[in-house]
Amino acid sequence: KAGVTQTPRYLIKTRGQQVTLSCSPISGHRSVSWYQQTPGQGLQFLFEYFSETQRNKGNFPGRFSGRQFSNSRSEMNVSTLELGDSALYLCASRWTGALTNEKLFFGSGTQLSVL
Amino acid sequence: GESVGLHLPTLSVQEGDNSIINCAYSNSASDYFIWYKQESGKGPQFIIDIRSNMDKRQGQRVTVLLNKTVKHLSLQIAATQPGDSAVYFCAENSGGSNYKLTFGKGTLLTVNP
Repeated sequence: KAGVTQTPRYLIKTRGQQVTLSCSPISGHRSVSWYQQTPGQGLQFLFEYFSETQRNKGNFPGRFSGRQFSNSRSEMNVSTLELGDSALYLCASRWTGALTNEKLFFGSGTQLSVL
Repeated sequence: GESVGLHLPTLSVQEGDNSIINCAYSNSASDYFIWYKQESGKGPQFIIDIRSNMDKRQGQRVTVLLNKTVKHLSLQIAATQPGDSAVYFCAENSGGSNYKLTFGKGTLLTVNP
């Protein structure tokens, strides 16, 4: 079974631009979460999507948004990029069947550099 | 301005020794905990998990201990190998049914051959 797949692997943008990151969860996983990882703040929760609905959101500004499609694939968007948005963006998925499984599996991330 | 990174605790061990990585969690209401391993250039890799109704859980070469009284988790790695060198994170589900992992700062484990 393929793992969580994130594209692109690396991205370079300039301040003020916007960016869209893509994530394909493990087959059968309907929950997709996004995390930001920086040297200064560590791993921080952005949001979680399930059945195309955002279920939970972290403490990030409205410039950070996401969505989930009917096939569970997810995208996150960051508008009006700032230098501080440079980070590794990690997508993770989990199975939410009848027996709730809380194991979260991560992709390799998209390394975003804002110049 | 100058950026200040997280000061990662470090643990250096000899190959074949046992390693113990400690973690203090923040929310006494958290009911689920996970340990992850992250190698350079990769995403966090699941190692082992434990629910709050347990004190101990064992996997292959790894054991997680949970002390709810002092809000402390530990990860024990037996017969540590060079391939175990990585940053290890503990995480707690602090969101309850609104699943949200809160991660610790991480510990850098270096295994010397």
